[in-house]
Amino acid sequence: NAGVTQTPKFRILKIGQSMTLQCTQDMNHNYMYWYRQDPGMGLKLIYYSVGAGITDKGEVPNGYNVSRSTTEDFPLRLELAAPSQTSVYFCASSYLAGAEPQHFGDGTRLSIL
Amino acid sequence: GNSVTQMEGPVTLSEEAFLTINCTYTATGYPSLFWYVQYPGEGLQLLLKATKADDKGSNKGFEATYRKETTSFHLEKGSVQVSDSAVYFCALSPGGFINTGTASKLTFGTGTRLQVTL
Repeated sequence: NAGVTQTPKFRILKIGQSMTLQCTQDMNHNYMYWYRQDPGMGLKLIYYSVGAGITDKGEVPNGYNVSRSTTEDFPLRLELAAPSQTSVYFCASSYLAGAEPQHFGDGTRLSIL
Repeated sequence: GNSVTQMEGPVTLSEEAFLTINCTYTATGYPSLFWYVQYPGEGLQLLLKATKADDKGSNKGFEATYRKETTSFHLEKGSVQVSDSAVYFCALSPGGFINTGTASKLTFGTGTRLQVTL
């Protein structure tokens, strides 16, 4: 039972490069989320999805894009990497909204140099 | 808007000491409240939750009570172990136990690092 799997675990990008952070879950959850975690700042929601084909912006969506073509996968795309996007990125999923807890992946540590 | 305020860390305790990590929140309506724990190099894991006023969540010796009158959800443990060393996040989800069709947008506190020494 893998839960939420994120790849890669670490990545270094140059300014202006693009990349996709992969996230997949095997729990058949409808709801999926992307967060970024900056030191001393807690987690901020970037984008979320309530089901395949449906995505919406969170608190800090600028510079990112997402898609949700299947229930299992929710990739996060950085088109033009900037130093401000250096962070740890977490993908999460949940079965329901509200009181249902979210299940997190182990994160992707991304550095933009 | 919703917000969560946690006591700043790091908190350093000796093994078997009593732990309290304060958490207060601001939210409209009746949010659900959570404590998540993050061990080094890992993602967040749910530690406990409470979905309505006066509920007590508990897990692995940790407890927290949903206090609507003081808008608080303080985390406590009677005797900490070295293995409890981690970062603890308080979080809230608006709307309670409702499948609204919209995602539960968790609002997190900034996290409190706990270090337990022998």
